[in-house]
Amino acid sequence: DAGVIQSPRHEVTEMGQEVTLRCKPISGHDYLFWYRQTMMRGLELLIYFNNNVPIDDSGMPEDRFSAKMPNASFSTLKIQPSEPRDSAVYFCASSLRDRLPKKAVDTQYFGPGTRLTVL
Amino acid sequence: AQSVTQLGSHVSVSEGALVLLRCNYSSSVPPYLFWYVQYPNQGLQLLLKYTTGATLVKGINGFEAEFKKSETSFHLTKPSAHMSDAAEYFCAVGKRNFGNEKLTFGTGTRLTIIP
Repeated sequence: DAGVIQSPRHEVTEMGQEVTLRCKPISGHDYLFWYRQTMMRGLELLIYFNNNVPIDDSGMPEDRFSAKMPNASFSTLKIQPSEPRDSAVYFCASSLRDRLPKKAVDTQYFGPGTRLTVL
Repeated sequence: AQSVTQLGSHVSVSEGALVLLRCNYSSSVPPYLFWYVQYPNQGLQLLLKYTTGATLVKGINGFEAEFKKSETSFHLTKPSAHMSDAAEYFCAVGKRNFGNEKLTFGTGTRLTIIP
């Protein structure tokens, strides 16, 4: 089975430019998560979706960040305009939850990440 | 609110020695607890998880962790370190009421294996 797929793996851009990160979750999974990892702040949850609907975006740092999930197999995280402090590794993860027994606990499967550098 | 504290951002052990990575959590409700491993330039991979029942949980690659409610701890151990265990390890806590939709991660512990 293909795991979570993220593209690009590396992105270098200049301050002020728009950046779009892409994620394809594992087929059949009903939750999708976007995380950011930095040395200073560790791994932070930005936003997550359930059945393509955003559930909690309280971790999105600013209005410059936006995320969409137009269908069950694709999500984007956009930064516009980008700033040097946005430099980080961005991870997408997916899980299967809704069809599990009520008390079961799902597992989040992570993609390889996109390393973003904003100059 | 939940939180996770991993004691020691860097741990070095000799090959063949015991690995002990510490994790303490804070949660207002009984937690779900996880250990993830991250190899260089890769995403996180689940090592093991505690949800309910037996407090000693066995995971992949010979790792195990014990949930100790009285100590609010979930330390990760492996009897004999291997060079391939060199990686960063993250402890995480999930909110029981919502499965594990929201995980709070610790800051990670980088494990170095000395030949």
